[in-house]
Amino acid sequence: DTAVSQTPKYLVTQMGNDKSIKCEQNLGHDTMYWYKQDSKKFLKIMFSYNNKELIINETVPNRFSPKSPDKAHLNLHINSLELGDSAVYFCASSQDRVKLFFGSGTQLSVL
Amino acid sequence: GQQVMQIPQYQHVQEGEDFTTYCNSSTTLSNIQWYKQRPGGHPVFLIQLVKSGEVKKQKRLTFQFGEAKKNSSLHITATQTTDVGTYFCAGERGGGADGLTFGKGTHLIIQP
Repeated sequence: DTAVSQTPKYLVTQMGNDKSIKCEQNLGHDTMYWYKQDSKKFLKIMFSYNNKELIINETVPNRFSPKSPDKAHLNLHINSLELGDSAVYFCASSQDRVKLFFGSGTQLSVL
Repeated sequence: GQQVMQIPQYQHVQEGEDFTTYCNSSTTLSNIQWYKQRPGGHPVFLIQLVKSGEVKKQKRLTFQFGEAKKNSSLHITATQTTDVGTYFCAGERGGGADGLTFGKGTHLIIQP
């Protein structure tokens, strides 16, 4: 069983569209995250949820909205996609912020 | 905000040579973690350092945490082709409200 699974793996879409990325973890962790990795491999935290509560909300456009229906799931919805949103988005989870377990990533390409 | 600087950005070595990447924080850290990302893969946790001056080893990998808890290093002895990838340090200040701040990573390229 994959510990942190995110779907889809690849997402190709047109500018202006709305898309969602789903993430699920089966590790029983309390905290889940979304990270964005740009073309230079720089990893930047976007959001962090602890037990369904938003803990960290970095300066990202409000077109990005995380949703945590329960502590095992953290989805990312993006409205009005722009070219600059193209990146790899990683979901991750941890217990007590030690040892992040990352999903395999979603490669988002906005055309 | 908190910044974690990591150098070098790229490192080319011949197989068998040693490799070191350095991490420096603008603020004192409660702990530092190291991750490895293979090409096309996702970051994988390697280790966490918590104590001032701590040194930990994993086979050919040696991790150090500075006395002031502001810097860290990862040293690989006698690199192998399986060591190829990007190595990230990630630091956390106390309290955890900021989460982990990742360095920009060091890309290790190994020539056979």
